[in-house]
Amino acid sequence: DTGVSQNPRHKITKRGQNVTFRCDPISEHNRLYWYRQTLGQGPEFLTYFQNEAQLEKSRLLSDRFSAERPKGSFSTLEIQRTEQGDSAMYLCASSPSGGGYEQYFGPGTRLTVT
Amino acid sequence: AQSVAQPEDQVNVAEGNPLTVKCTYSVSGNPYLFWYVQYPNRGLQFLLKYITGDNLVKGSYGFEAEFNKSQTSFHLKKPSALVSDSALYFCAVRGTSGTYKYIFGTGTRLKVLA
Repeated sequence: DTGVSQNPRHKITKRGQNVTFRCDPISEHNRLYWYRQTLGQGPEFLTYFQNEAQLEKSRLLSDRFSAERPKGSFSTLEIQRTEQGDSAMYLCASSPSGGGYEQYFGPGTRLTVT
Repeated sequence: AQSVAQPEDQVNVAEGNPLTVKCTYSVSGNPYLFWYVQYPNRGLQFLLKYITGDNLVKGSYGFEAEFNKSQTSFHLKKPSALVSDSALYFCAVRGTSGTYKYIFGTGTRLKVLA
């Protein structure tokens, strides 16, 4: 069990650029979540995948955000036309099928938009 | 709408004393409740959960939590605090009616004083 990994760990970009983050969940986990966390706040739900199907997406999520999990393994989160308000820590978590429901979090990708 | 409240931004406790970190929730359907801990420069780690069954649940590092349905609370407790317990603690809830979304509280910083 190597845990959830996320790349890159840090990303600095200029406003208006597109960025893409990758998440590799624990290998046998079929549930995958993306969150955003800002200073002083708890993680905020962005979207949920079960295998390759995106089953829920936050209503707060702008159309500039999109996520994929094409083969039910790794996932990518893309932010188009970044804004300074997008600066945050982006967290990925995975969870096994069955009744566990606890999530295992990756270290996060810290995005800074200048 | 789902929500989680952690009414204390910070809790200070002397080493060896019992600790309590408070959490209340609002959710549709039966709640799935969780506690996570975040150490500096480390990812969120799962501590314990309530899904069903016994209202008192035990987790990692000697922590436990009690589910109280009438008070909609899920307070985290430990009989004897350690300095190494100092960290940021998050309560989270997932409803079981029509959503896969997890809602996290804003976190409580626990400081255990030697």
